[in-house]
Amino acid sequence: NAGVTQTPKFQVLKTGQSMTLQCAQDMNHEYMSWYRQDPGMGLRLIHYSVGAGITDQGEVPNGYNVSRSTTEDFPLRLLSAAPSQTSVYFCASSYSHKGSHEQYFGPGTRLTVT
Amino acid sequence: SQKIEQNSEALNIQEGKTATLTCNYTNYSPAYLQWYRQDPGRGPVFLLLIRENEKEKRKERLKVTFDTTLKQSLFHITASQPADSATYLCALDRISSNTGKLIFGQGTTLQVKP
Repeated sequence: NAGVTQTPKFQVLKTGQSMTLQCAQDMNHEYMSWYRQDPGMGLRLIHYSVGAGITDQGEVPNGYNVSRSTTEDFPLRLLSAAPSQTSVYFCASSYSHKGSHEQYFGPGTRLTVT
Repeated sequence: SQKIEQNSEALNIQEGKTATLTCNYTNYSPAYLQWYRQDPGRGPVFLLLIRENEKEKRKERLKVTFDTTLKQSLFHITASQPADSATYLCALDRISSNTGKLIFGQGTTLQVKP
């Protein structure tokens, strides 16, 4: 199993550009999440999904869109990039075991917006 | 406001000693709490989960305690090794939300010196 994969590893965007961060998992996990990690602020939840066709907002959703058409894929779209979106983005998947969720993280995408 | 806090200062210890990391939270009543390890440039990796009705959990050289009265979890690494040097994150879920929506602390960096 490849686990959780993310592409690209690095990306530089200009302000106003749009792009999609890709995330895929091959563990048949129902739950998937997107986090951003900034120095001193830990991981913050952007969007999450509890299954194909179902998504919801997390703590910091503004400026981002998601969709979940399949169990495997959960892309994150930046609509109009801003310097405040410079961050490291992690995708994670999980399944429910007695109500708890051990998260499996991807390797991350480092995004710089100039 | 709801917060989860870890010591932001790095913890430096000598090889062979026990490292103790702290995770404090306010205004949550989590069903469980998790600990993750993160190496530079990589995604977090799950280590241990402890439920609200458990006082202590062990895995090899790792031990986690969970005091719901103090709203605190302690993470211990016994007989520490330089390879244990990393950032350690705690995370918790809201009350039985079963959505995989975790709240993360900002992490504590551990440096084990040979």
